[in-house]
Amino acid sequence: NAGVTQTPKFQVLKTGQSMTLQCAQDMNHEYMSWYRQDPGMGLRLIHYSVGAGITDQGEVPNGYNVSRSTTEDFPLRLLSAAPSQTSVYFCASSYLQYQETQYFGPGTRLLVL
Amino acid sequence: DQQVKQNSPSLSVQEGRISILNCDYTNSMFDYFLWYKKYPAEGPTFLISISSIKDKNEDGRFTVFLNKSAKHLSLHIVPSQPGDSAVYFCAAKRGSNYKLTFGKGTLLTVNP
Repeated sequence: NAGVTQTPKFQVLKTGQSMTLQCAQDMNHEYMSWYRQDPGMGLRLIHYSVGAGITDQGEVPNGYNVSRSTTEDFPLRLLSAAPSQTSVYFCASSYLQYQETQYFGPGTRLLVL
Repeated sequence: DQQVKQNSPSLSVQEGRISILNCDYTNSMFDYFLWYKKYPAEGPTFLISISSIKDKNEDGRFTVFLNKSAKHLSLHIVPSQPGDSAVYFCAAKRGSNYKLTFGKGTLLTVNP
C-alpha cells in the first residue's frame, strides 16, 4: 500500500495562475479531505468528500474547487492563485466509520508570488 | 473564533520525564477528541482519541484525559523520549459531522 500520495511536493506559482494539486489513496477509503496549514494557524479544512461524486465545503473553501470522480482520487484546483494561498496543503483519507483516524499525505508546499 | 485552543506554542522536557500537552475547546457540541503528531516535512499521524463518554483513554505511553465541565483535555506522555519531539495537534468533532477542527499545535522537544 502506498497510502496517501500527493503531487507535487513543491510548487511555485505566479498570481493568477491555475494549478491542480493531486491526491490519491489506495486504501479504498470513502472519506477524503484537503487541509491547509499556515504558520500559527493549525490545520484548516478546505473541502471534503464522503464518496465518489459527493463533495462539500470545509472551513476555508474560497478560491478552491474539488471533484471526486473515483474513490481513489481527490484533486484540489486553484483556478486563479493568490499570495494568500501560499501554504502547505495536506490531503487525508479514512473509512467513513473511522473518519476520525485520518491518514494524511506528506503534503504539498505551495508558494504564490 | 477559535474553537480548539492550544495555548502553549512549545514545551521542552527532559527524556524520561512526563510531557503534558493541553487543549481547551469552546464548542460544547464537540463529543470526540483526537491528538495527532506531526514531524517536519511529513503529514500528521493519528495518535490517540477519546469520546466524551469517557474521561480517560490510555495507549502505551500515551494517555488522554478529558474534563468536560472545564472543556479541557490533556495528553500525557510517560516516559518522554527524544523520538516524541514533534508538533502535537489537538482536534475535535461533533456527532456525525465529518469536519475536524484542529488547534494550532504545540511543539514538543524532548531533550536527551
